Amino acid sequence: AQSVSQHNHHVILSEAASLELGCNYSYGGTVNLFWYVQYPGQHLQLLLKYFSGDPLVKGIKGFEAEFIKSKFSFNLRKPSVQWSDTAEYFCAVRGGTYKYIFGTGTRLKVLA
Amino acid sequence: DAGITQSPRYKITETGRQVTLMCHQTWSHSYMFWYRQDLGHGLRLIYYSAAADITDKGEVPDGYVVSRSKTENFPLTLESATRSQTSVYFCASREGGAYEQYFGPGTRLTVT
Repeated sequence: AQSVSQHNHHVILSEAASLELGCNYSYGGTVNLFWYVQYPGQHLQLLLKYFSGDPLVKGIKGFEAEFIKSKFSFNLRKPSVQWSDTAEYFCAVRGGTYKYIFGTGTRLKVLA
Repeated sequence: DAGITQSPRYKITETGRQVTLMCHQTWSHSYMFWYRQDLGHGLRLIYYSAAADITDKGEVPDGYVVSRSKTENFPLTLESATRSQTSVYFCASREGGAYEQYFGPGTRLTVT
């Protein structure tokens, strides 16, 4: 069965620390990969996406993610986090026309 | 305003009552989706629609009914609400040829 695993459920960092959030997926075919962010009290917003081509994808607000096909991974990174990055982050996989599978989310808290 | 809206934003209802959550988008996107967000489960797909009058079940459809008589509207009805349906419900839409979804602000539903 298709699945998405986000191993870090809660992450606490100080401002300026580097961030890496793990995402592993299980799907045998061609996938589209996404990271969404949900700021407190708000709806989900797209951070970045991977469809094909360069496996290193850059998104908004200084975030990037690397698709490693051999590891079925799509980890999210940011070199220096800010207090305003406090949010919940969701990895998602599109493995069929209608089927989007979301991970359980990672809650990031950045201490000022 | 352009975008995707949901109403109501907050709803408290009693067990056994019928509740309808509304979703409206102004982009004329072909595809629309309903998700529920629960702690520890991330987002789970309830129903989706590829076009007006075309709907299909997602991962957790039991106890829910949808309709799509117009492209821009995709209401979700809980026929007889149960406490287990207490959740935050997100509506999303996407264009036919694109794969990124756009999410509404969510409806927080409490069933007492």
